[in-house]
Amino acid sequence: EAGVAQSPRYKIIEKRQSVAFWCNPISGHATLYWYQQILGQGPKLLIQFQNNGVVDDSQLPKDRFSAERLKGVDSTLKIQPAKLEDSAVYLCAYQGRNSYEQYFGPGTRLTVT
Amino acid sequence: QKEVEQNSGPLSVPEGAIASLNCTYSDRGSQSFFWYRQYSGKSPELIMSIYSNGDKEDGRFTAQLNKASQYVSLLIRDSQPSDSATYLCAVIFQGGKLIFGQGTELSVKP
Repeated sequence: EAGVAQSPRYKIIEKRQSVAFWCNPISGHATLYWYQQILGQGPKLLIQFQNNGVVDDSQLPKDRFSAERLKGVDSTLKIQPAKLEDSAVYLCAYQGRNSYEQYFGPGTRLTVT
Repeated sequence: QKEVEQNSGPLSVPEGAIASLNCTYSDRGSQSFFWYRQYSGKSPELIMSIYSNGDKEDGRFTAQLNKASQYVSLLIRDSQPSDSATYLCAVIFQGGKLIFGQGTELSVKP
């Protein structure tokens, strides 16, 4: 976890509101991922970045979710408008420099009421 | 068939016993396999990676891979209460996407 900072750690919003999450892979890794983990399930990939570019966003609900990674470092994930089913932990991960291994940040727990 | 399937939990073992966690996957071409440990309220932590058929040992943990059977397992020897967590199996499918199982909750009783 120490290699990735995420904020906020917790967020409670009402449905139809907007929310944004921030991720900073502290060591500046090229490949960055956003995952959604619903309670009782494994993480599910939302989007993968390679530097500034999107590699895979096939599972991102693009009608309400958006993500960007400016300058190939920090990344933000936005939900607008939020639905009840978006309640989950949003995890940012980076890929190790010389392997396929992925390492996760502490996550942001979102509750939509 | 789920892409990555794990034993339904919870799995309960006494302290000092061997815990055996199993996982099957659907993509015959997969080459990279991982086990993550996730404590309640925390994010997944990578504990083992395995790429070749056979066993890989790291301390009390042994990962076993059988690509022909599309099966990967994790053994935890001398289980401790601190091993109580959810264990996630993850597989890189062709195309490069990391797919997770639903996780198996392990409880080690003192």
